[in-house]
Amino acid sequence: QVLLLQSGPGLVKPSQTLSLTCAISGDSVSSNSAAWNWIRQSPSRGLEWLGRTYYRSKWYYDYAASVKSRMIISPDTSKNQFSLQVNSVTPEDTAVYFCVRQMNLITTAGFDYWGQGTLVTVSS
Amino acid sequence: DIVMTQSPDSLAVSLGERATINCKSSQSVFYSSNNKNYLAWYQQKPGQPPKKLIYWASTRESGVPDRFSGSGSGTDFTLTITGLQAEDVAVYYCQHYYSTPYSFGQGTKLEIE
Repeated sequence: QVLLLQSGPGLVKPSQTLSLTCAISGDSVSSNSAAWNWIRQSPSRGLEWLGRTYYRSKWYYDYAASVKSRMIISPDTSKNQFSLQVNSVTPEDTAVYFCVRQMNLITTAGFDYWGQGTLVTVSS
Repeated sequence: DIVMTQSPDSLAVSLGERATINCKSSQSVFYSSNNKNYLAWYQQKPGQPPKKLIYWASTRESGVPDRFSGSGSGTDFTLTITGLQAEDVAVYYCQHYYSTPYSFGQGTKLEIE
């Protein structure tokens, strides 16, 4: 059983940095068959894929264009976790943030395990 | 980027009846090299993260009741719930994983009539 446990502050001031961490149990951030994603959800934008990291002999990163200039996803193999950092946040970044495992195998595909979600509010 | 559009936005169906949700992608999500449609369906209940129901457009996730089924290919897909039960009240999303950036439909809210 894979479990993803999110941690991080729920309130961030405008122009500051949003930082969340997702601790993985039951799988490895260095898995050769999984990818580790961040997705957010807000009433105005719905479910929005933000980016992912995955390991295939080296680390790869993909980001949504809308946040690419402000976002970093970082794996931490020593703690088996990955993190999200969004710089220069505005109230439009207010959302519930999810960390999510993705598999693209014949036997399973899509986003199969989700973290519990973290409501991040951007407000002074 | 691929845009996913669902219809209808909301749906009310009587218990025991059939619910049909449609999803259209702005371009094909079918890979001819492996004959797969890169399309999944999710169910989300209040206060919970989405739960995967269907992947490869028509393969049911383990543990998902067989009243849930997915169909379609290319750009047009359907999620069908036969014999609606009270616990099926939720918002349903389609999502493509054909290539990044991935995207979701806007959601269809399913209620009991």
